[in-house]
Amino acid sequence: QLQLQESGPGLVKPSETLSLTCTVSGGSISNSNYNWGWIRQPPGKGLEWIGYIYYSGTTYYNPSLKSRVTISVDTSRNQFSLKLSSVTAADTAVYYCARPTGSYNWFDPWGQGTLVTVSS
Amino acid sequence: DIQMTQSPSSLSASVGDRITITCRASQSISIFLNWYQQKPGKAPKFLIYAASSLQSGVPSRFSGGGSGTDFTLTISSLQPEDFATYYCQQSYSSPYTFGQGTKLEIK
Repeated sequence: QLQLQESGPGLVKPSETLSLTCTVSGGSISNSNYNWGWIRQPPGKGLEWIGYIYYSGTTYYNPSLKSRVTISVDTSRNQFSLKLSSVTAADTAVYYCARPTGSYNWFDPWGQGTLVTVSS
Repeated sequence: DIQMTQSPSSLSASVGDRITITCRASQSISIFLNWYQQKPGKAPKFLIYAASSLQSGVPSRFSGGGSGTDFTLTISSLQPEDFATYYCQQSYSSPYTFGQGTKLEIK
């Protein structure tokens, strides 16, 4: 059974780069049937799709974040990562990694989420 | 971007009630509509894909419907564990936007 687990700093200073990693267990990240994504949720608010990476390496990003986001895969560690540059307080959120699945691209499974606070 | 609007934003109901949540897309998305349940402090749980197909293990009291721009999530007989926030998500075109959520509370 595939499981995902986010990790990374819980506090990032404004203007710096937020870096998170999602470790995949129960399956190989290089499986050609798998794609990998990130979603975030500001405290008390709804869900925002950040983007995802296809097994081929092609990436799709939310246009509202595209200039600041990079998603990549590290097959040697069975991990994928999120980098968000030039962060502000508006980027404070719980960040989830999840797998876009099937022909209808639903997200399942999800990691447990990790809270990242942007503050000096 | 395709905007997803859920109604109501919040709903009070009792155990045993039948409730329906509506999700409307700003343009036609065929049946590229998924539903999730989220409880406080937890990651969302995937419930329904392709507007009406139940994920394995999801109780049959949950059902989804609709196509084009209008969709529904119905819970036929509310159970205590169903009180949560529900989100729709379109996967017709990137960015894959979510509705703002419907919080289902115990009356």
